[in-house]
Amino acid sequence: QSALTQPASVSGSPGQSITISCTGTSSDVGGYNYVSWYQQHPGKAPKLMIYDVSTRPSGVSNRFSGSKSGNTASLTISGLQAEDEADYYCSSYRSSSTLGVFGSGTKVTVL
Amino acid sequence: QVQLQQSGPGLVKPSQTLSLTCAISGDSVSRNSVGWHWVRQSPSRGLEWLGRTYYKSRWYNDYAVSVKSRISINADTSKNQFSLQVNSVTPEDTAVYYCARQERYWDFEYWGQGTLVTVSS
Repeated sequence: QSALTQPASVSGSPGQSITISCTGTSSDVGGYNYVSWYQQHPGKAPKLMIYDVSTRPSGVSNRFSGSKSGNTASLTISGLQAEDEADYYCSSYRSSSTLGVFGSGTKVTVL
Repeated sequence: QVQLQQSGPGLVKPSQTLSLTCAISGDSVSRNSVGWHWVRQSPSRGLEWLGRTYYKSRWYNDYAVSVKSRISINADTSKNQFSLQVNSVTPEDTAVYYCARQERYWDFEYWGQGTLVTVSS
């Protein structure tokens, strides 16, 4: 069950924009528009930030946006704030016996 | 507002069975086509999808290949909850276990609080 590939860490200063990539294959990210993104603070459960590649759930700041090109999905956080410092995970539906896969996780640091 | 409340032991001996329950409020475990999932997280394996149960005229289950021979997820409609059992556990099964709800095609908007399960003698 290979995880989707994410950079281990990304950092930025307050107010800046950062982008986190999530690379999979044509059997998951590239084959379906069912990519979601989660924010996780230490000791907490993951929180859904984006679903279906680019849709924000109600209550999630519009500073968070998602996109996809080929086998790579991306999460962009604009106007970076201290509260955005957390781990971020992507997830995708996968056409295999194991239906879903998560990314390896990216630690976002606000400088 | 949907809430998922997990319960179960935090310590399991090797070769025994891990059992966790996720109680649902604000929704029904038997609502058509809503998926009820288990996900675990460990430093070595990251976030790992384990499986789901859902009702669509009858009950269905899907399991990750990595645990398929040892896992069972079942719904209890009388208590509006679902459960996870993992048999023959080893220290590799040590992780924080989460339950989660999937209403759309493949995303998890509601999560349980997480249960740290340690496999140790």
